[in-house]
Amino acid sequence: ETGVTQTPRHLVMGMTNKKSLKCEQHLGHNAMYWYKQSAKKPLELMFVYNFKEQTENNSVPSRFSPECPNSSHLFLHLHTLQPEDSALYLCASSQDLGQMNTEAFFGQGTRLTVV
Amino acid sequence: DAKTTQPNSMESNEEEPVHLPCNHSTISGTDYIHWYRQLPSQGPEYVIHGLTSNVNNRMASLAIAEDRKSSTLILHRATLRDAAVYYCILRDSGGTSYGKLTFGQGTILTVHP
Repeated sequence: ETGVTQTPRHLVMGMTNKKSLKCEQHLGHNAMYWYKQSAKKPLELMFVYNFKEQTENNSVPSRFSPECPNSSHLFLHLHTLQPEDSALYLCASSQDLGQMNTEAFFGQGTRLTVV
Repeated sequence: DAKTTQPNSMESNEEEPVHLPCNHSTISGTDYIHWYRQLPSQGPEYVIHGLTSNVNNRMASLAIAEDRKSSTLILHRATLRDAAVYYCILRDSGGTSYGKLTFGQGTILTVHP
């Protein structure tokens, strides 16, 4: 248990569906991240929030829409996805972007399958 | 953006020490060196980090070269549960990657019984 909780753990969705991934942490962290990990590939940073402000959008298609209503919660809204979007989606949190001598904590991920 | 270079894979025998190297020749003076590992079907977990001095914790040791252009993660006695992908990451102090953790390919560590 890392203190970062992701739900659901597994999700199967059709290409016309709309779904949301949720990430929650009560570690008092102010930076939260979304990563995508496709099979046999390294983690790709998607979005970063620091003190609820989005500081990074790593050229992510608009069918992925992040939301950070407060420092403890992070969502990833999904709509009209493609089969190639099937991957493990990981959430992480850390103290804040300026605290580089602190570690990040990762959730267990959501395994997404787009059919 | 600072980058790291690691061997694609390494092998070890159980209960032997493992030295995982990482090169980061473009490191800047205030970049922290972080190590994470990812076990199969799990999210990455923090292992250790350092700036200039060698560091020890309950999981591993981190040896940092005097010029900081390379570092080595040391697992003192490998166990089967240490089989994972190990990532060496520079946590950037400046530029567009400020503070972020950018993962590379990592080193796949196989531990033999």
